[in-house]
Amino acid sequence: KQEVTQIPAALSVPEGENLVLNCSFTDSAIYNLQWFRQDPGKGLTSLLLIQSSQREQTSGRLNASLDKSSGRSTLYIAASQPGDSATYLCAVEKVRGGGNKLTFGTGTQLKVEL
Amino acid sequence: GAGVSQTPSNKVTEKGKYVELRCDPISGHTALYWYRQSLGQGPEFLIYFQGTGAADDSGLPNDRFFAVRPEGSVSTLKIQRTERGDSAVYLCASSLSVVETQYFGPGTRLLVL
Repeated sequence: KQEVTQIPAALSVPEGENLVLNCSFTDSAIYNLQWFRQDPGKGLTSLLLIQSSQREQTSGRLNASLDKSSGRSTLYIAASQPGDSATYLCAVEKVRGGGNKLTFGTGTQLKVEL
Repeated sequence: GAGVSQTPSNKVTEKGKYVELRCDPISGHTALYWYRQSLGQGPEFLIYFQGTGAADDSGLPNDRFFAVRPEGSVSTLKIQRTERGDSAVYLCASSLSVVETQYFGPGTRLLVL
């Protein structure tokens, strides 16, 4: 059974800092990995999706890397802003029987302070 | 265009009652997913539909949980004889097909007293 772990569980940083969120998974046979953002009372917003054949993806101040063989991914946030405060979830997808159900980690709750 | 919508946004019920949670997917999306997110946890897969049929219901915790999608669009998650442990946020997602990105709704927060 796939297990996804995220470290740290919570993180508080001053505005402007660069930071790294970590995600690890036990079964390296994945189809892709996604990073999501979740704001309180709202649904999940997909930030970055990395296919299993890729090493990294970038979008603005966000960069996600994937090392499938070691079962690890990192989300790098540059020059953090208060608006980045949210819970960040990573999820892996393993295609089976045509479906693409996601297995999520427990999330990292980020607070960026002024 | 409109995203995935879920109703109600909040539901409070008493132990033993029956509840229905509704999901309206993005128009044209053939795949629909239900997840459950307990406090402090990540979402956990419950069931997904391809069209009208449940293609994978391996995540449903027990036979008190059931979901339908009779016309291949709106889906209803039904919970019988609710228990306090059912309290969670129930998230719905839809995608154009089973290999496309999932788009999530805001969730229904269920509280069983």
